[in-house]
Amino acid sequence: EVQLVESGGGLVQPGRSLKLSCAASGFTFSNYYMAWVRQAPKKGLEWVATISTSGSRTYYPDSVKGRFTISRDNAKSSLYLQMNSLKSEDTATYYCARHSSYDYWGQGVMVTVSS
Amino acid sequence: DIQVTQSPSSLLASLGERVTITCQTSQSISNNLNWYQQKPGQAPMLLIYYATSLQTGMPSRFSGQYSGRSFTLTITSLEPEDIANYFCLQHYSAPNTFGAGTKLELK
Repeated sequence: EVQLVESGGGLVQPGRSLKLSCAASGFTFSNYYMAWVRQAPKKGLEWVATISTSGSRTYYPDSVKGRFTISRDNAKSSLYLQMNSLKSEDTATYYCARHSSYDYWGQGVMVTVSS
Repeated sequence: DIQVTQSPSSLLASLGERVTITCQTSQSISNNLNWYQQKPGQAPMLLIYYATSLQTGMPSRFSGQYSGRSFTLTITSLEPEDIANYFCLQHYSAPNTFGAGTKLELK
């Protein structure tokens, strides 16, 4: 059974950093592109980052480029999202998902950016 | 970026009723659109991929169709467990973009 389990969320002050993790199981993690998607309260979903199978290629929308870094550890079947210089508008539930087809998603982790 | 307009934003329906939700894209994406169901506190679940293909394990009362830039998700006969939020995703081009979602509630 494919499982994606996010962790690392919480309350953080504006300008600070936070690192999210996503533990994958039930499939060969290293064979798949992976992505982070977020949903702000009462808002729609927004793609945040994508990483290639080896980790050599990463992609971001302008809203997070230069502040967020996606990475992965294939040996640990884990995906990460390093979020720096956080803003109030980054407040959202963050989901990891198996990319290209977005066929499996985690349950999400809440990140609140507030002073 | 490709815009995805989903309607309605909310929907009241009765058990056994036929329900239809629509996503319209701002440009042609062929059939590169997925539909998802999401219940509170749960991960989104893939219902329909490539516009018309039913994900393994999903009930056959769910179906997807498309014509041009208009995509529809249909529930032929609403069941209690179908009460949820539904959203679409275009994966034709980056950045992948989502419909705003439809909240389906019981009448």
